[in-house]
Amino acid sequence: AQSVAQPEDQVNVAEGNPLTVKCTYSVSGNPYLFWYVQYPNRGLQFLLKYITGDNLVKGSYGFEAEFNKSQTSFHLKKPSALVSDSALYFCAVRDGAGGFKTIFGAGTRLFVKA
Amino acid sequence: DTEVTQTPKHLVMGMTNKKSLKCEQHMGHRAMYWYKQKAKKPPELMFVYSYEKLSINESVPSRFSPECPNSSLLNLHLHALQPEDSALYLCASSQDRADNSPLHFGNGTRLTVT
Repeated sequence: AQSVAQPEDQVNVAEGNPLTVKCTYSVSGNPYLFWYVQYPNRGLQFLLKYITGDNLVKGSYGFEAEFNKSQTSFHLKKPSALVSDSALYFCAVRDGAGGFKTIFGAGTRLFVKA
Repeated sequence: DTEVTQTPKHLVMGMTNKKSLKCEQHMGHRAMYWYKQKAKKPPELMFVYSYEKLSINESVPSRFSPECPNSSLLNLHLHALQPEDSALYLCASSQDRADNSPLHFGNGTRLTVT
């Protein structure tokens, strides 16, 4: 069965510093990995996805993610954090069977301090 | 601004009321979803419609009744809800059932059952 794990409930970073939000996955077959962000009182917004190809995937708002097959990780990164990046981040994997299910991680709350 | 529109934004209802949540998308997506989200938790899948046919019902109680009148609209009819049904209800759509197709979420309806 597919699963994702986000080991950190919360990440704190100072504005201007690089940020990393961690995600590890377990899939059978090819991984189809996604990151979503949720701001307060809003729905989830798609940030980026890895399907195949380059291990470094670039997405919205300056975010990128690095796919590492040997470590089964898909960490979200940004070179310079902004206070406005403070939000709840979800890593997700599609079920890989051509179905409709998306398996979400538990979520990581990111706080960026000015 | 999101391309998936949900109404109402907030809803307070008693346990004997009947109400409906509405969702609309004009991106030509052929799959539409209802999710339930409790505070600080990942979304939980409730229903999936594909090409206006119900594809997945995740053993949701019958007091929740989905309806897909056409390819752009998705409704969730509510009747005799319980206080534990209070949550953020999110509608989402995706281009198709392909594993590389991200979800596009609305901003949700905040439901309170009194």
